[in-house]
Amino acid sequence: DAGITQSPRHKVTETGTPVTLRCHQTENHRYMYWYRQDPGHGLRLIHYSYGVKDTDKGEVSDGYSVSRSKTEDFLLTLESATSSQTSVYFCAITDPSSYEQYFGPGTRLTVT
Amino acid sequence: QQQVKQSPQSLIVQKGGISIINCAYENTAFDYFPWYQQFPGKGPALLIAIRPDVSEKKEGRFTISFNKSAKQFSLHIMDSQPGDSATYFCAADQGAQKLVFGQGTRLTINP
Repeated sequence: DAGITQSPRHKVTETGTPVTLRCHQTENHRYMYWYRQDPGHGLRLIHYSYGVKDTDKGEVSDGYSVSRSKTEDFLLTLESATSSQTSVYFCAITDPSSYEQYFGPGTRLTVT
Repeated sequence: QQQVKQSPQSLIVQKGGISIINCAYENTAFDYFPWYQQFPGKGPALLIAIRPDVSEKKEGRFTISFNKSAKQFSLHIMDSQPGDSATYFCAADQGAQKLVFGQGTRLTINP
């Protein structure tokens, strides 16, 4: 998984609770991304980052926030989880030498 | 709206046959088109990718065909094997490697 770890790998939480997912990379790449995967939708971009404290919204950013205080860590926060945020979340990085994008193992989040 | 449309949703091919998955896009600003392979419980893995200045790219049994005028591209898997059974996603780069994905194709190779 190209030096990408995600934690936790599985989480069940209740509606209305805050949740933070962590992505950690060992490649020291600047570009990092959060996607969600849902049946029938493929993967959709939530937020992305071009570097420390440099983040921007993707196509499905409502209800999510991100932070990047270190190059290696990119955090995704659901401030108040809803059932519609039940999904599998993938972090990705881009290799600047090839522009190829690599994905982490994913976090399966269930909001009850 | 779905910027990249992928078909079919599912595909069954006999071992040794050719698997073909198609994608179409609308935005002519897309400049990089990767294909990903995903096994259950795993993250997507980059399989092969192409840029629009090339009409075909081949890596082993995997070939991308690209038709810029028709805004279509396809993945061909030659001599399909049971180990190729997975979900395949096409994608397009909308800039800065922000990928927009097709809906996915579940490929089953029957032995």
